[in-house]
Amino acid sequence: DQQVKQNSPSLSVQEGRISILNCDYTNSMFDYFLWYKKYPAEGPTFLISISSIKDKNEDGRFTVFLNKSAKHLSLHIVPSQPGDSAVYFCAARSSGSARQLTFGSGTQLTVLP
Amino acid sequence: DGGITQSPKYLFRKEGQNVTLSCEQNLNHDAMYWYRQDPGQGLRLIYYSQIVNDFQKGDIAEGYSVSREKKESFPLTVTSAQKNPTAFYLCASSISGQLVQPQHFGDGTRLSIL
Repeated sequence: DQQVKQNSPSLSVQEGRISILNCDYTNSMFDYFLWYKKYPAEGPTFLISISSIKDKNEDGRFTVFLNKSAKHLSLHIVPSQPGDSAVYFCAARSSGSARQLTFGSGTQLTVLP
Repeated sequence: DGGITQSPKYLFRKEGQNVTLSCEQNLNHDAMYWYRQDPGQGLRLIYYSQIVNDFQKGDIAEGYSVSREKKESFPLTVTSAQKNPTAFYLCASSISGQLVQPQHFGDGTRLSIL
C-alpha cells in the first residue's frame, strides 16, 4: 500500500521551460512534505519542503504547492536547466509519535538543452 | 566539512554470508536511519535510531540488524536471512528523531550477490 505516489516515472522538458513534478498521498496524518533530488550513485539531497499549514513555499527557481483537500503536492522548477536532470523524490512525514519519512518512487527529470 | 560517510561504496556478498555496511556522521545528529532503494521504487526504511543505544524497526527490517553504540556510528548488518539483499543502501541522519529538519544522506553502498 503506497502512501506516497509519484505516478510519472519520467518527465522530459526543454531547457528554459517549466518542469512540474507531481506527488499524491493518502495518509491524512502527514504534516510535513519534502522534495529530494538524487543523482546516480549519490545520496538524495534536500531541495525544498512545505508544512501542512501552508499551501506554497518558494525558493529561487523551485516552488512547492500543497493542496491538502486533494492530498496532492507538486514541485515547479522554472526555468529548467540541464543540471536539474535527476531523480526527484517526494517524501512525507507522519505526525505520530514515531516520526518517519515515507518516500515516493521518484520521477526521473530530463532537461533537454 | 560535516557529513555522512558510507563505506564501502560497492560490496559483494557470497550466498550465506553476513556483511556489515558502515555509516559514520560528524554532524552531531541524534537520529540515524537506514534505507534500501530498489530500481523503480522509493526509499524504504529498514531501521532507525533516535538516540544512542536505542533503535526501532522500519518497514522492512527482516534479515537486517543494527547497533547504535556511539552517536556517530550506525552500522547495518545484512544477514544471510535476507533473501534478496541486492540493492542500494542509504544511510541518513537528522538533528532529532522529530524530523523538524530534513534528513541528510550519505552517498550509499551498492550491495551485490556473487
